[in-house]
Amino acid sequence: AQSVTQLDSQVPVFEEAPVELRCNYSSSVSVYLFWYVQYPNQGLQLLLKYLSGSTLVKGINGFEAEFNKSQTSFHLRKPSVHISDTAEYFCAVSDRSSGTYKYIFGTGTRLKVLA
Amino acid sequence: DAGVTQSPTHLIKTRGQQVTLRCSPISGHKSVSWYQQVLGQGPQFIFQYYEKEERGRGNFPDRFSARQFPNYSSELNVNALLLGDSALYLCASSLDRGFLNTEAFFGQGTRLTVV
Repeated sequence: AQSVTQLDSQVPVFEEAPVELRCNYSSSVSVYLFWYVQYPNQGLQLLLKYLSGSTLVKGINGFEAEFNKSQTSFHLRKPSVHISDTAEYFCAVSDRSSGTYKYIFGTGTRLKVLA
Repeated sequence: DAGVTQSPTHLIKTRGQQVTLRCSPISGHKSVSWYQQVLGQGPQFIFQYYEKEERGRGNFPDRFSARQFPNYSSELNVNALLLGDSALYLCASSLDRGFLNTEAFFGQGTRLTVV
C-alpha cells in the first residue's frame, strides 16, 4: 500500500527566512505527487503538483518542490516566507488501485512563521 | 464562479444519531469525493462518485454511505454515530475521476462533533 511520510509535524521559521517541508512517499509504481495548503477553518488548496517531466515544479505563492525518484522524496521549499504562509501543509500521492482514484495524504506539517 | 460548497459548516450530534452532510460541486464537475480529517491527521478517503455511481470506497464501516444526484451534488450519511466520527468532512470535486488534466477542488468542510 502506498503511504506518505511528513517527517516534521511543526516547523517554526522567522519571516523572510527560507523553509523546506519534507515529504517522502513509498510506492512501487509511478505516482503523481501533490502539495496542498490548509489555512485555519478552510478546506485544502492545491499549491503544486508533479505529474511528469521536469522534476522541479513551481507552484502558487512562490512555492516550489523537487521530485526525487531515487530518494522517493518531494520536498516543498520557499526562499522567503511571509506571515501569511502560516498554515498546515499536506503532501499527497495519487492512488489508482482497484479502479479508484484517490489521494493518500500525509499527516501534515504546521508551518508557523514568526515576526 | 462558486467553488465547492458544503453544508452545514458545523454540526453537533449525540452518539447513536444519524447525520447527513451535503456537497455541491463546481458547475460542470462530475466527480465528487469525500474525505474525513480527524484532528491532527491528514484527510482519509471515504468515497468517490462519478456520473452518479460509486467508483471507490475507503476503509470505513458500512455506517458510512453516500450518493450522488443527477445534478452531481452529493450527500454523505453516517449512521449510529460514535465519538470517533468527530472530524472535519471534506468534499472534493473534479471534472474527471483521474489526476491528469484535472484538479480536485476542496470545499471548506463540515465540522462534525459527536458528544
